[in-house]
Amino acid sequence: AQTVTQSQPEMSVQEAETVTLSCTYDTSESDYYLFWYKQPPSRQMILVIRQEAYKQQNATENRFSVNFQKAAKSFSLKISDSQLGDAAMYFCAYRSAYGGATNKLIFGTGTLLAVQP
Amino acid sequence: DVKVTQSSRYLVKRTGEKVFLECVQDMDHENMFWYRQDPGLGLRLIYFSYDVKMKEKGDIPEGYSVSREKKERFSLILESASTNQTSMYLCASSLFGPGSYEQYFGPGTRLTVT
Repeated sequence: AQTVTQSQPEMSVQEAETVTLSCTYDTSESDYYLFWYKQPPSRQMILVIRQEAYKQQNATENRFSVNFQKAAKSFSLKISDSQLGDAAMYFCAYRSAYGGATNKLIFGTGTLLAVQP
Repeated sequence: DVKVTQSSRYLVKRTGEKVFLECVQDMDHENMFWYRQDPGLGLRLIYFSYDVKMKEKGDIPEGYSVSREKKERFSLILESASTNQTSMYLCASSLFGPGSYEQYFGPGTRLTVT
């Protein structure tokens, strides 16, 4: 069975600085998808960024980018120029490409990011 | 603008009560999910549905059941609520099919069972 591990329960970053959140996963599959979701305080969870395992290029969405290391089974999220609105719980998630069409996700335990003004 | 709504943000129930949590999505998504979120445990899948009247167990289905009579609505039922079911419950929906489709989440229902 696949597992997702986020080893940093809490992180803190100064406004305008850069922070990296770690995620590792365990799988025997060769094709899968990885996601980072953001859950702001008392607000709905939203997708930040996604990565297809067959793509070598790291995904980027504005200030958010990932470092996808397939051999190491690592999928870290880098937030550049951190803003107060980035404060949230961040979840890493895995989806098998062989799991049929039902789109089941496996989530890590989350990293709570605080942004200091 | 995509939208997933849940019937209550906060709910307080007594032990032994039957509890209904409702979720509605307006995106015509085939897949719908119920998760439970607990500190230090992340999100754990309770049940999901890929079509009307179809359901599959997730990782922690014990003590829960679900109902999907209409495509847009997915209900989570606690037949006899217990204190260990005090938690945040999140509903989500997504398209059906292979690919990196994202899941869209509702705002959550914080359930307290006393």
